[in-house]
Amino acid sequence: QKEVEQNSGPLSVPEGAIASLNCTYSDRGSQSFFWYRQYSGKSPELIMSIYSNGDKEDGRFTAQLNKASQYVSLLIRDSQPSDSATYLCAVPSGNTPLVFGKGTRLSVIA
Amino acid sequence: SAVISQKPSRDICQRGTSLTIQCQVDSQVTMMFWYRQQPGQSLTLIATANQGSEATYESGFVIDKFPISRPNLTFSTLTVSNMSPEDSSIYLCSVDRVSPRQGDYGYTFGSGTRLTVV
Repeated sequence: QKEVEQNSGPLSVPEGAIASLNCTYSDRGSQSFFWYRQYSGKSPELIMSIYSNGDKEDGRFTAQLNKASQYVSLLIRDSQPSDSATYLCAVPSGNTPLVFGKGTRLSVIA
Repeated sequence: SAVISQKPSRDICQRGTSLTIQCQVDSQVTMMFWYRQQPGQSLTLIATANQGSEATYESGFVIDKFPISRPNLTFSTLTVSNMSPEDSSIYLCSVDRVSPRQGDYGYTFGSGTRLTVV
């Protein structure tokens, strides 16, 4: 069974700080990696995808991928209360389009 | 980017009944995916729906319980049959398409159907 692991949190950070969210995956053959944000009562929204080792930046978000360590992370700079949500790591695995982690609940304290 | 309309947005159903959830995409897509998100849990893939062929179900999900239709390239339905309280979940459809966010390719989700079985 292919797995995607995340700390469930909650992760609490003060407003303006950097939030660091981590994810490990078991399928060494995975080639693409996705971060979704899910507000309570809403459906997941794609915020970042990454395919190559290294960093990918998009505004306040940076995704980091290390395939050798089977590790992908999401950094949120200058965290805002509006960033408070559950962040889901998702990885395609075999014939399964996306295997999701359990998600990390982020709380940004004003 | 794809726009996905899903309905109903929520429903409260009696045990033993069935509910059909509809998903309409604004562009043609080869595959549509149905997920379940149980309370406090992450998303689990139920099945993949291809137009013109039977849906492919994941381990733990069967066609008799979750029949799926895919009559064309823009529409799919998921039926939750003979419901029990354990079926209370959010059900989501998804397609693989370019996301609105800066052209990132990924999987886009409908708004979800919150089902409560009493």
